[in-house]
Amino acid sequence: QQQVKQSPQSLIVQKGGISIINCAYENTAFDYFPWYQQFPGKGPALLIAIRPDVSEKKEGRFTISFNKSAKQFSLHIMDSQPGDSATYFCAAILNSGGYQKVTFGIGTKLQVIP
Amino acid sequence: NAGVTQTPKFQVLKTGQSMTLQCAQDMNHEYMSWYRQDPGMGLRLIHYSVGAGITDQGEVPNGYNVSRSTTEDFPLRLLSAAPSQTSVYFCASSSWTDFDTGELFFGEGSRLTVL
Repeated sequence: QQQVKQSPQSLIVQKGGISIINCAYENTAFDYFPWYQQFPGKGPALLIAIRPDVSEKKEGRFTISFNKSAKQFSLHIMDSQPGDSATYFCAAILNSGGYQKVTFGIGTKLQVIP
Repeated sequence: NAGVTQTPKFQVLKTGQSMTLQCAQDMNHEYMSWYRQDPGMGLRLIHYSVGAGITDQGEVPNGYNVSRSTTEDFPLRLLSAAPSQTSVYFCASSSWTDFDTGELFFGEGSRLTVL
């Protein structure tokens, strides 16, 4: 059972455009929603994260929009650049009694073309 | 600062062989975990550890063993390799303080091919 559904699986955006990746979750007990960025041959690295009591978080060109009632959140990359070409994973975190469960989406491969 | 170090980066095995993927972190993190990454499947948790001597199963534990004798090291053992275990394996760590930020620190991965 996929608890975090991510779409699209691949995305091609022109340089300067807006990249949008969407995720939906089922478990309302999740505590935190991070996004990870992974370049080819590297491990994922935390990009930006949001708590469920916040509707939006912005860091530079990257913004998370969070809709608690719809159980959806999305990553927006403004002014997309070729250097943003990577695979992006959304995730949902459940912290309980010293145990952390991280559930990842299937990933979105973003290609930004010049 | 090395962070999370995985070895080997690449490995080819024959069906039935056993091997150990090594993972070491120098950040004194309590929490360590192993994921496998497969196309269209994302990252799936194999095993995790919340401290030395404590391990537990994740989402896809079958065919893998782990142990945690020190805070720094968390090796992943493949007991009898199968082609279905062909994947890229990532080790990750975090501290209790990182739980609030959701940050996992990943190694660069170990690409395993089982023939």
